[in-house]
Amino acid sequence: QKEVEQDPGPLSVPEGAIVSLNCTYSNSAFQYFMWYRQYSRKGPELLMYTYSSGNKEDGRFTAQVDKSSKYISLFIRDSQPSDSATYLCAMRFQGGSEKLVFGKGTKLTVNP
Amino acid sequence: ETGVTQSPTHLIKTRGQQVTLRCSSQSGHNTVSWYQQALGQGPQFIFQYYREEENGRGNFPPRFSGLQFPNYSSELNVNALELDDSALYLCASSLKRGGGADTQYFGPGTRLTVL
Repeated sequence: QKEVEQDPGPLSVPEGAIVSLNCTYSNSAFQYFMWYRQYSRKGPELLMYTYSSGNKEDGRFTAQVDKSSKYISLFIRDSQPSDSATYLCAMRFQGGSEKLVFGKGTKLTVNP
Repeated sequence: ETGVTQSPTHLIKTRGQQVTLRCSSQSGHNTVSWYQQALGQGPQFIFQYYREEENGRGNFPPRFSGLQFPNYSSELNVNALELDDSALYLCASSLKRGGGADTQYFGPGTRLTVL
């Protein structure tokens, strides 16, 4: 079983739709949870960063962490064609090298 | 504030050769991590450097090695290249303080092709 599971999609939605992206993980020691957006052939760009359980909102983006279920989500409201990218969930432990463990990424296309 | 930069952008090598990739960390950051991202996969942690010392290593063989310099820039060296080393190599910088590290910010990556 991989440490972080993420459905690679692809996911295709019409402009204006609400998008839900999810990851599950197996190691309950993960404390920090992130979502990165990666455009084709570019480096990942940090979107959301949360510590432990709870919700965090930033504009059209909402990140949710449910540590009891080992499940994290990213919601995108009023999706735009410019949101078309691969979305990577990442998480890390506290202490040590604090390496990021990534999911496989979900490829999202928002159609105008 | 300058972001993370990497060079070169693209590189083509043949099996058995050696390669050096370079990374300049974001202004104010003291920690550099390297990741390998194969096509269609998420990034995999190679190692991290903090205060010029290796501070954690992923499941990569010793032919993957690195350096961090006093100005916090870093190099990734790969010896005896194999076809499976073809990937996007990402550098991420962060600020490690007493209580732990801050968020990692990624550079644009170096795309390595091994023929």
